[in-house]
Amino acid sequence: SQTIHQWPATLVQPVGSPLSLECTVEGTSNPNLYWYRQAAGRGLQLLFYSVGIGQISSEVPQNLSASRPQDRQFILSSKKLLLSDSGFYLCAWSVLGRGNTGELFFGEGSRLTVL
Amino acid sequence: AQKVTQAQTEISVVEKEDVTLDCVYETRDTTYYLFWYKQPPSGELVFLIRRNSFDEQNEISGRYSWNFQKSTSSFNFTITASQVVDSAVYFCALRSGGGADGLTFGKGTHLIIQP
Repeated sequence: SQTIHQWPATLVQPVGSPLSLECTVEGTSNPNLYWYRQAAGRGLQLLFYSVGIGQISSEVPQNLSASRPQDRQFILSSKKLLLSDSGFYLCAWSVLGRGNTGELFFGEGSRLTVL
Repeated sequence: AQKVTQAQTEISVVEKEDVTLDCVYETRDTTYYLFWYKQPPSGELVFLIRRNSFDEQNEISGRYSWNFQKSTSSFNFTITASQVVDSAVYFCALRSGGGADGLTFGKGTHLIIQP
């Protein structure tokens, strides 16, 4: 069966510090991978998605970046965090293609507080 | 552009009452998929159901049922005989066509079941 894990679960960082959140998927190959952010009291905002190694699509311009160094690994980074980067970050995967209708399966989430 | 509207920000009912969560969507595509997710206090989003645009059959799963009506662009979710464990934030989401660019989520409805 497929599993998805992301870490760290909780992170408190000062403004201006770097960020690295990591997500890995097991039990499937060539998944589509996604990073969403959920700000307090708000819905889910798609940040990045990737359909393959090294292929990153950005949905929202910001000081965050994403990378996919391996097929089942997705990393969210920042060189300098802003207060507005605080939120709950969710990694997700899906498989598109015959017989798959693209529902997303989410990781446990990473709660980031920028002080 | 596609859009999902969940007009109910928060609903509070007493245990054992029935409750319906509303979802209205907008899309120009003729092929699309609708989803419901549950987000318990732990934060992880749990996939509940997917519906295809060409299948308007309603679905029942235990105490959960979904009413899909293309004529009103709605995909409502009903919980019968609610329980405290149903307390969570529920998200409705939409994916159009065969794109890999993730789901568009509504802002969510916070459901509170009081004992």
